[in-house]
Amino acid sequence: AQSVTQPDIHITVSEGASLELRCNYSYGATPYLFWYVQSPGQGLQLLLKYFSGDTLVQGIKGFEAEFKRSQSSFNLRKPSVHWSDAAEYFCAVGDTGFQKLVFGTGTRLLVSP
Amino acid sequence: DAGITQSPRYKITETGRQVTLMCHQTWSHSYMFWYRQDLGHGLRLIYYSAAADITDKGEVPDGYVVSRSKTENFPLTLESATRSQTSVYFCASRGQNSNQPQHFGDGTRLSIL
Repeated sequence: AQSVTQPDIHITVSEGASLELRCNYSYGATPYLFWYVQSPGQGLQLLLKYFSGDTLVQGIKGFEAEFKRSQSSFNLRKPSVHWSDAAEYFCAVGDTGFQKLVFGTGTRLLVSP
Repeated sequence: DAGITQSPRYKITETGRQVTLMCHQTWSHSYMFWYRQDLGHGLRLIYYSAAADITDKGEVPDGYVVSRSKTENFPLTLESATRSQTSVYFCASRGQNSNQPQHFGDGTRLSIL
């Protein structure tokens, strides 16, 4: 069965600084990988997804993620963080069979002035 | 506007009562999902449905019942609510292909006293 680890529960970044959120997955085959963002009181919004092909994936709001098979990682990055990026971020892995998603426990991003 | 809506947004009830959470989507998506979100656990799958009249258990199905008589609706029922079911519940839907992302509702915050 697939699993996802997000090792950082909280991360604080200064506005304008770069960001990297870590995600490691466990899955036997090539996974489907997703990053979602959740603002307080809201549902989850898709930031980006990886299925195959180019390992560097561009998403909305200036985010990108890189799939590294050798490290079983799919880290999320943004070159310059804005205060509005403060939210909780979830990494998820889907199997290529039925397509259930398994979510990590999330990383809460705080943005300091 | 097309989308996925959950009702109610907030619900307080007592242990032993039956409560039903509603989910409606206007995309005619084949797949629908129910998750619960708890601190430290991320999102955990309760039940899912591949089509009308086809449902199956997820990771944490005990104490919950679902039905799907129409493609657009996927209600979740707690037949006899317990305090451990206090949580935020999210409904999601997805198209037929497994590489399509899931789209989430805004959630129902359920408190069981």
